[in-house]
Amino acid sequence: DVKVTQSSRYLVKRTGEKVFLECVQDMDHENMFWYRQDPGLGLRLIYFSYDVKMKEKGDIPEGYSVSREKKERFSLILESASTNQTSMYLCASSGGQAVHEQYFGPGTRLTVT
Amino acid sequence: DQQVKQNSPSLSVQEGRISILNCDYTNSMFDYFLWYKKYPAEGPTFLISISSIKDKNEDGRFTVFLNKSAKHLSLHIVPSQPGDSAVYFCAASPNYGGSQGNLIFGKGTKLSVKP
Repeated sequence: DVKVTQSSRYLVKRTGEKVFLECVQDMDHENMFWYRQDPGLGLRLIYFSYDVKMKEKGDIPEGYSVSREKKERFSLILESASTNQTSMYLCASSGGQAVHEQYFGPGTRLTVT
Repeated sequence: DQQVKQNSPSLSVQEGRISILNCDYTNSMFDYFLWYKKYPAEGPTFLISISSIKDKNEDGRFTVFLNKSAKHLSLHIVPSQPGDSAVYFCAASPNYGGSQGNLIFGKGTKLSVKP
């Protein structure tokens, strides 16, 4: 079974804080993705990575950065959290023959006050 | 501009009847389509997919139909069960350089199956 884990289910941070969201997958997948989900807006891609130390901007990268130092781990960083970054953050991975099938973690509900 | 559209934000169906969820897309470069199901406070889970070379794929109670000329796909759930109540996302994968499994998601349709 593919397993994607995220470091926290719920997180509350203050405006201006630096926030780290961690994601780990155990299927040796090459591809990893970070999305945010907001009501009425669906899933929007923030950043993705096809390989270690490689990153690409998605549709809404502003205010975020990422790090992929190891194949199994993909971190999302909010350099200076703002209230409009309050959201559900979802990590996903894919790879191998079924490259289109992304497997998602349980999500982190981040609240910035 | 939205490339993947789910025009119905919600759908309510009686238990045992058919649920039909619709999705339209605009980009003819999409070559693979997927449906995901999401319960509150959980990540989406993969449900069923279809390649652009097919027009139908079936898995148990779930069937996905693809009409390439109309750029339309639909998910049929028969019979619908209360446990199917969730948000359903349609997703498409583009077939051009550098895409490598990227998905473009619709905004989702919330399905409620009433006992």
